[in-house]
Amino acid sequence: AQSVTQLDSHVSVSEGTPVLLRCNYSSSYSPSLFWYVQHPNKGLQLLLKYTSAATLVKGINGFEAEFKKSETSFHLTKPSAHMSDAAEYFCVVSVSSGTYKYIFGTGTRLKVLA
Amino acid sequence: NAGVTQTPKFQVLKTGQSMTLQCAQDMNHEYMSWYRQDPGMGLRLIHYSVGAGITDQGEVPNGYNVSRSTTEDFPLRLLSAAPSQTSVYFCASSYAWGFEQYFGPGTRLTVT
Repeated sequence: AQSVTQLDSHVSVSEGTPVLLRCNYSSSYSPSLFWYVQHPNKGLQLLLKYTSAATLVKGINGFEAEFKKSETSFHLTKPSAHMSDAAEYFCVVSVSSGTYKYIFGTGTRLKVLA
Repeated sequence: NAGVTQTPKFQVLKTGQSMTLQCAQDMNHEYMSWYRQDPGMGLRLIHYSVGAGITDQGEVPNGYNVSRSTTEDFPLRLLSAAPSQTSVYFCASSYAWGFEQYFGPGTRLTVT
């Protein structure tokens, strides 16, 4: 069965230090993968997407992610955290095999310390 | 473009009442979906549609009905509300399955 696992439910970093949010997926097919961000009491905004083109994907606000098929990972990174990055982040995989669903990870809450 | 719109923004229901959450998109997207968001559980798919007249169940469909008579609209019906359906509900649309989804602002539903 296809699934997605976000390895950390909470991550704390200091402002100006790198961010790493980890995501592993399980899929029998070449998946499409996405990262979304949700600020408190807001909707979801697309950060970036992987759809079988370049394995290193650049997104908005300085975020990027690398698709590693051998490790079934799609980790999200940013070189330098900003206070405005504090939010919840979701890794999402599109699954196939006769259905047409998107599966969300349970989310990682990023806290940025001054 | 308004994008994806949802109404109402907030709703309080009593157990056993029924209601319809509205969702509309003006991007001519084929794929639409409904999710519920509960703390610590991410977003869980309730129902989805790959085009007008075609719907299917997601992970948590029990207690909910959908229909897709037009490309633009995808309402979610709660047949007999239960406290376990207290949640935030998001509607989303995408050009087709596999493409990025665009989300509405959400409906916060409380069932007492």
